[in-house]
Amino acid sequence: GQQVMQIPQYQHVQEGEDFTTYCNSSTTLSNIQWYKQRPGGHPVFLIQLVKSGEVKKQKRLTFQFGEAKKNSSLHITATQTTDVGTYFCAGTGGGNKLTFGTGTQLKVEL
Amino acid sequence: EPEVTQTPSHQVTQMGQEVILRCVPISNHLYFYWYRQILGQKVEFLVSFYNNEISEKSEIFDDQFSVERPDGSNFTLKIRSTKLEDSAMYFCASSVIGMVTGELFFGEGSRLTVL
Repeated sequence: GQQVMQIPQYQHVQEGEDFTTYCNSSTTLSNIQWYKQRPGGHPVFLIQLVKSGEVKKQKRLTFQFGEAKKNSSLHITATQTTDVGTYFCAGTGGGNKLTFGTGTQLKVEL
Repeated sequence: EPEVTQTPSHQVTQMGQEVILRCVPISNHLYFYWYRQILGQKVEFLVSFYNNEISEKSEIFDDQFSVERPDGSNFTLKIRSTKLEDSAMYFCASSVIGMVTGELFFGEGSRLTVL
């Protein structure tokens, strides 16, 4: 079945440093979504990318969907303590099943 | 702001017992889902539900699991005979439209502990 892997699994950064998580799917995706889960919380939708090569920005967050629609990345510029959490990509191959990636846990130290 | 609500927030049960987890999706949403997350691991798809029937299910969703929308508001997940490995956080989610283009709204989760 479809597998979605993310690297790194964990990332510790100093506040102000940049952070990137990479997402790779074993199959071509119809779209890719990104979710953030705070410690002890539930996944919260961040964004959706649909087009090949698409890039979207939300303030300090930049999301990219690969040309082959099999990979994606999330880049955070100048991390803040409020960015702490686990970031999941999630993709669908076209059906009604959204497969989550393995997640990247971000810790931000002052 | 509309939200997905789940009950109970935490349930402890003995192995072999039946458990029902309840969810009230956002009122104008048409697609409903159950996911589970074992502590510290990824969010795993269990089942999607649309138009009063299952539209997709995962390998995890075996004969021990069932879902139901008994009335116009509730969406339930039943585990007939719980096993130790069913211990996890179970998230209900809903969306206005299907996953191909739709954002999922998650509830706070129901933590199931099987002893």
